[in-house]
Amino acid sequence: AAGVIQSPRHLIKEKRETATLKCYPIPRHDTVYWYQQGPGQDPQFLISFYEKMQSDKGSIPDRFSAQQFSDYHSELNMSSLELGDSALYFCASSFVPDTQYFGPGTRLTVL
Amino acid sequence: GENVEQHPSTLSVQEGDSAVIKCTYSDSASNYFPWYKQELGKRPQLIIDIRSNVGEKKDQRIAVTLNKTAKHFSLHITETQPEDSAVYFCAASKGNTDKLIFGTGTRLQVFP
Repeated sequence: AAGVIQSPRHLIKEKRETATLKCYPIPRHDTVYWYQQGPGQDPQFLISFYEKMQSDKGSIPDRFSAQQFSDYHSELNMSSLELGDSALYFCASSFVPDTQYFGPGTRLTVL
Repeated sequence: GENVEQHPSTLSVQEGDSAVIKCTYSDSASNYFPWYKQELGKRPQLIIDIRSNVGEKKDQRIAVTLNKTAKHFSLHITETQPEDSAVYFCAASKGNTDKLIFGTGTRLQVFP
């Protein structure tokens, strides 16, 4: 069965640079969620989109923005990167209410 | 907002024994409670979930119980195997397209 696809899988950036993470949800899934997971931490909700509209916003820095496109894929844009932004970034998608399926994640390292 | 507490933070069991992980939530509007298993550096994988209209759900060696009155839910793994070793996260949500609020995780180690 098709799964959530994320790219890139690994990303290394310098401080103050920008990064763009991409997420391709499971076909027919209409909701996309972004989570950030620091080392040894639980995933923290950043932002979500339902039918291409922002549906909820969590602890996402103002330096980050995201959108969902007409083909339902989503992009998380991160600017003025800081050392503390180093983390695993997961995208999840859902169709049936409730059940969220996670992608393999993007490991972002900020040097 | 919702807060989910999870205990214990680490759990070591002998192969074949049972393991129990407990979570409590604060928001009585939460009605969906999934459990995820995460291996190091990998994605969280859904292993079982329960909705508030059900008190218990079982899938082979895994079961989840929910006590809405106490705002408490638990994961039970029987006949543990070394491949069950991972970090387990509970989560709570108000359902539909609502975000997941995760517990702090339990590192389960199953020794042969």
